Amino acid sequence: EVQLVQSGAEVKKPGESLRISCKGSGYSFSSYWISWVRQMPGKGLEWMGRIDPSDSYTNYSPSFQGHVTISADRSISTAYLQWSSLKASDTAMYYCARHEGRYTSGLTWGQGTLVTVSS
Amino acid sequence: QSVLTQPPSASGTPGQRVTISCSGSSSNIGSHTVNWYQQLPGTAPKLLIYSNNQRPSGVPDRFSGSKSGTSASLAISGLQSEDEADYYCAAWDDSLNGVVFGGGTKLTVL
Repeated sequence: EVQLVQSGAEVKKPGESLRISCKGSGYSFSSYWISWVRQMPGKGLEWMGRIDPSDSYTNYSPSFQGHVTISADRSISTAYLQWSSLKASDTAMYYCARHEGRYTSGLTWGQGTLVTVSS
Repeated sequence: QSVLTQPPSASGTPGQRVTISCSGSSSNIGSHTVNWYQQLPGTAPKLLIYSNNQRPSGVPDRFSGSKSGTSASLAISGLQSEDEADYYCAAWDDSLNGVVFGGGTKLTVL
């Protein structure tokens, strides 16, 4: 069974750094792109960017370029989303999702990681 | 200001048929397949319809999808109370080189 298991909820202060993770299992991790999607409280889904774990190629939505970094470690089948300096506006649920094919929006989702940034 | 346009809300009574529209452009729906997601309260989105009109195993045939040109729609027949959820359309976008979503439609079963 294909599964994406994300790390647990985080509570951080503005200016702090953070890395959350997404571990894939039940499939060949390198063979499928991973995207990250933000959902702010009470709002819709926003695509942040994606990574091809086979070569670590990334591309980002202009809305998130420069604010987050997406990476992956094929050896442990894990993708990451990280911030160097969090803001209160980063408070949201973050989902990782596996693309079912290249250049497709068909996604299998992780359970989500809630990030709360508050002083 | 989502790239794909959906109505913010829809409603129906048990047993009715409802449809949710999704409008895009030539760089997304016009060039790529559309997928639909159901998000129940407090849960992650779940793939409901893929490749415009295909249902993953386990999804009831009450749910159906269609696409024409740069628009798509999701139809739910025989509406049930457990269908109350948020529904999102999505497509790959060549201009963004990424995934675009609709703003979501909140379905209420009256």
